[in-house]
Amino acid sequence: GAGVSQSPSNKVTEKGKDVELRCDPISGHTALYWYRQSLGQGLEFLIYFQGNSAPDKSGLPSDRFSAERTGGSVSTLTIQRTQQEDSAVYLCASSFNERGSAFFGQGTRLTVV
Amino acid sequence: GESVGLHLPTLSVQEGDNSIINCAYSNSASDYFIWYKQESGKGPQFIIDIRSNMDKRQGQRVTVLLNKTVKHLSLQIAATQPGDSAVYFCAENIGTQAGTALIFGKGTTLSVSS
Repeated sequence: GAGVSQSPSNKVTEKGKDVELRCDPISGHTALYWYRQSLGQGLEFLIYFQGNSAPDKSGLPSDRFSAERTGGSVSTLTIQRTQQEDSAVYLCASSFNERGSAFFGQGTRLTVV
Repeated sequence: GESVGLHLPTLSVQEGDNSIINCAYSNSASDYFIWYKQESGKGPQFIIDIRSNMDKRQGQRVTVLLNKTVKHLSLQIAATQPGDSAVYFCAENIGTQAGTALIFGKGTTLSVSS
């Protein structure tokens, strides 16, 4: 597609379950970012992939969070044993390279009940 | 803590006025800055960017000013329209172990009344 695509757009899950969020970046973009945005708040950096380099995981809030990027394209953010405080919008962005502007998807709204 | 912040959380203006949204950053090594607009229920949308070798850049109705001496960034919107109502974020390009990553400030909510 022409833009960054995220799926699902909405996800409701029970506390303690695992969830996977998917991001399809813009074709050819080597940099990929995951952010979390709680209601009415700013964007909290989670993880960053650049090409074949080891990802910067410094923003992941706990070891329940992990992400991978396969083949330098699609990325999956996994949250294990979800908690209510994980409820937020998870945004993915990609950029042509590490020095370029990032373009965002519409986000996945995660609700943990 | 956050390295990028905004001076005011909200800004209310009348339609037709000029708006100025400010941002302060703390990392003097940052060399690339972006302004984003986020409307309710949508992802952030790129507005304009500026590199540290410039102090001003203009787009359509928007101007970004960069003052590296005091580490200050501003977004000026000319003839503000109701459609400009949104949350505006500045982002800073910071070096990390993987390269560089964009770090966002908390955002300023712009409300435009007719």
